[in-house]
Amino acid sequence: DAKTTQPTSMDCAEGRAANLPCNHSTISGNEYVYWYRQIHSQGPQYIIHGLKNNETNEMASLIITEDRKSSTLILPHATLRDTAVYYCIGRGPTGKLIFGQGTTLQVKP
Amino acid sequence: GAVVSQHPSWVICKSGTSVKIECRSLDFQATTMFWYRQFPKQSLMLMATSNEGSKATYEQGVEKDKFLINHASLTLSTLTVTSAHPEDSSFYICSARSPQLNTEAFFGQGTRLTVV
Repeated sequence: DAKTTQPTSMDCAEGRAANLPCNHSTISGNEYVYWYRQIHSQGPQYIIHGLKNNETNEMASLIITEDRKSSTLILPHATLRDTAVYYCIGRGPTGKLIFGQGTTLQVKP
Repeated sequence: GAVVSQHPSWVICKSGTSVKIECRSLDFQATTMFWYRQFPKQSLMLMATSNEGSKATYEQGVEKDKFLINHASLTLSTLTVTSAHPEDSSFYICSARSPQLNTEAFFGQGTRLTVV
């Protein structure tokens, strides 16, 4: 399972787009990139995942570089309720999700 | 999304006693469940993987005799913390995955264990 690197923390203004980067330079060809977030004292919440192509759902967009060594999670219009720790995870064939330290996103009014 | 429920949400127990935590997939059959532990201000640490009907696979450094995992049905896995000590106090979280629901794993709300 690929090791991922994320900034420790980020701030974003309410209503603006939040762009959260993730490096996964050791990712293998069959490993998906998953994004989860965890609001304080709750279980992680699934956001989105992708393999090669960019993905979009009702929560976010995921942009994966062509070489798949990095990706960006985009929350198009951040709200105060989006304040959380965001985890980028490479998931291989074992199915395990190995969490790194994540990015603490603080959305400010 | 699919629902995974943990019970209890929080529990306080005395040192030396055992505590059982349940993880249920409410609307899908979970062939694989994962158990995590999270200490304050730290990330989730994977403890073990359980597959329905077989023995759990523990991560390195996790004592299998202390953290007993049972996955007897496709909707229920249990984690029993045996002979609990204060250092076992933590946030325990389970997740469940089924091939029928694409490939994402869904997480329970977590169980806060405090050993006094």
